[in-house]
Amino acid sequence: DAGVTQSPTHLIKTRGQHVTLRCSPISGHKSVSWYQQVLGQGPQFIFQYYEKEERGRGNFPDRFSARQFPNYSSELNVNALLLGDSALYLCASSRTGFGANVLTFGAGSRLTVL
Amino acid sequence: GNSVTQMEGPVTLSEEAFLTINCTYTATGYPSLFWYVQYPGEGLQLLLKATKADDKGSNKGFEATYRKETTSFHLEKGSVQVSDSAVYFCALISEGAAGNKLTFGGGTRVLVKP
Repeated sequence: DAGVTQSPTHLIKTRGQHVTLRCSPISGHKSVSWYQQVLGQGPQFIFQYYEKEERGRGNFPDRFSARQFPNYSSELNVNALLLGDSALYLCASSRTGFGANVLTFGAGSRLTVL
Repeated sequence: GNSVTQMEGPVTLSEEAFLTINCTYTATGYPSLFWYVQYPGEGLQLLLKATKADDKGSNKGFEATYRKETTSFHLEKGSVQVSDSAVYFCALISEGAAGNKLTFGGGTRVLVKP
C-alpha cells in the first residue's frame, strides 16, 4: 500500500507569493493533519481535518488555510509568503481524527522563501 | 498547555554504546506518548508508543516506559548501530482531545560513529 504522498517535494518561492501544497493520505484514512517543521526544531501543528471538516487549528496566522476533499486528500495554502515560512511542511494521516490513533507522516514538502 | 522537553543534542556515540534520550512532558490528564524518528531527508516515522502509565513501548531494540510519577518517557537502546543516526522526537497526544494533535519536543540528534 502507498504511504502518505506529498507534492511537490521541493519548491522555491519569493516573498509575497502564494503556495499550495498537496497531500494524499493512506487508503482508508479519513483524517489529515499538517505540521510545519522549521530547521532544527520539532514539528508544529497547523491544521487537522477529519471527514472534510476542520477539527483543529494551531497558532498560525490567517495566511495559512487548508481544506480536505471528498477523496480525503488535502491542500495547504499559504498566502503572502514571508521568509519565516521557509520550512518542511509535513502531512500526516490517520484512520480517525481523535484518540491515540497513530499518525503516519509523509516525506514532506520543503519550501524555501527567498 | 501541553509541552514536551527533550535533552538537547547532538549526542555522539560509538557503535554498540548504550543510548538514552531523556523526555519529560506536561499535559492535562493522561496523554498517549510517542517516539518518532527522522532520518536525513525524510519525514517522521513512528518508533514506538505507550498509551497508559507503566506501559513499555518497544521496537527495533528501542524501549521507553511511560512513567506517570515522573512525567517522563525516556528512550533507550542497549547497543546502537551507525544506522541509528537520526533525529529523535518525543511527542504526546492529550487524553480526550477533540482531535489527535501531536505536541512534539525539539528533537535530539544522534550520531553513531563506527
